[in-house]
Amino acid sequence: DGGITQSPKYLFRKEGQNVTLSCEQNLNHDAMYWYRQDPGQGLRLIYYSQIVNDFQKGDIAEGYSVSREKKESFPLTVTSAQKNPTAFYLCASGTGTVNTEAFFGQGTRLTVV
Amino acid sequence: AQSVTQLGSHVSVSEGALVLLRCNYSSSVPPYLFWYVQYPNQGLQLLLKYTSAATLVKGINGFEAEFKKSETSFHLTKPSAHMSDAAEYFCAVSRIQGAQKLVFGQGTRLTINP
Repeated sequence: DGGITQSPKYLFRKEGQNVTLSCEQNLNHDAMYWYRQDPGQGLRLIYYSQIVNDFQKGDIAEGYSVSREKKESFPLTVTSAQKNPTAFYLCASGTGTVNTEAFFGQGTRLTVV
Repeated sequence: AQSVTQLGSHVSVSEGALVLLRCNYSSSVPPYLFWYVQYPNQGLQLLLKYTSAATLVKGINGFEAEFKKSETSFHLTKPSAHMSDAAEYFCAVSRIQGAQKLVFGQGTRLTINP
């Protein structure tokens, strides 16, 4: 089945640690996105990539990093510089054209302990 | 810059009643608009989208939305609510600033009362 797979579903991080969230898609989409979701704030864009080996900062990129070495994969690293990382993280992919929707994974819930 | 505002963070209706979730957009160019639904601890699923072909758009699960340029609105409706409609709903607009990406509203949590 085609889709987007995020792993793990739940992740716990100690303060000062970096953690990496995985996102893989088999939809042959060029564009991939990372969003952060907090209660009452909707979804906010962290990073996006329109093509392999290229990515751009979104609205809240500070404390995060990404890579796009393969078309299928767009991992997100939450670094120790992110002061409030506890949130629900959603990965999405799409064709990158303006009139098309994005397809979402099931999300990763990150909690700082 | 394109943006959307969802009026009402929480809407509660009785089973069988009309569902109306409000979304207003701001855009300097003809917008492309989307409604998504999210069930607890899951990702987002597309309900419907407006891409200028028709102002009344029908989606999945009996939902529809009407694009009204004069009111800059794209409200989501369903004639008769079902218990399974309880979820969070997000309106989004497609934004291009060097690349296409979706900008989301704050979301509306829909509760269905038996």
